[in-house]
Amino acid sequence: AQSVTQPDIHITVSEGASLELRCNYSYGATPYLFWYVQSPGQGLQLLLKYFSGDTLVQGIKGFEAEFKRSQSSFNLRKPSVHWSDAAEYFCAVGAGNGNKLVFGAGTILRVKS
Amino acid sequence: NAGVTQTPKFQVLKTGQSMTLQCAQDMNHEYMSWYRQDPGMGLRLIHYSVGAGITDQGEVPNGYNVSRSTTEDFPLRLLSAAPSQTSVYFCASSLTRTGGAGGYTFGSGTRLTVV
Repeated sequence: AQSVTQPDIHITVSEGASLELRCNYSYGATPYLFWYVQSPGQGLQLLLKYFSGDTLVQGIKGFEAEFKRSQSSFNLRKPSVHWSDAAEYFCAVGAGNGNKLVFGAGTILRVKS
Repeated sequence: NAGVTQTPKFQVLKTGQSMTLQCAQDMNHEYMSWYRQDPGMGLRLIHYSVGAGITDQGEVPNGYNVSRSTTEDFPLRLLSAAPSQTSVYFCASSLTRTGGAGGYTFGSGTRLTVV
């Protein structure tokens, strides 16, 4: 069965510093991979997704992610974090014949000024 | 605005009560699903539907029923609420099973407390 691991529960970075959020997945076939962001009390917003092709994917708000099949990873990066990026971030893998997303437990990002 | 609409936003139930969480989308998406979000556990799939009249169980279906009589609506029913069902519930829809260009669109959630 597919699974997603986000090793870091909390991460704190200084405003302007670079960011990398880790995501590892387990899935037998080629995965469909997603990163979502959730601000407090809000729903989930899609940041970016990977289906195939170029393994470096650009998303909204200056985020990017790189798919590495050999490491089963799909890490999210941003070169310079803004205070408004403070939120919870979820990695997810899409699988199965239906509408199935399997989520990681999430990483809470805190940004200090 | 187009999107996924969930009602109510907040609900408090007593143990044993029943209720229906409503979800409606106006994007003509075939795929709809319900997730529950609990601290430290991410989102877990409860039920999903690949089209009107077709539903299936997800990871944590016990205690919940769904039906899909129209493309637009996908209600989630709690038959006899239990404190373990205290959670935030999200409905999501997508054009295709992989999410398509827009990915999966999520509603703003229903925060349910069972006392």
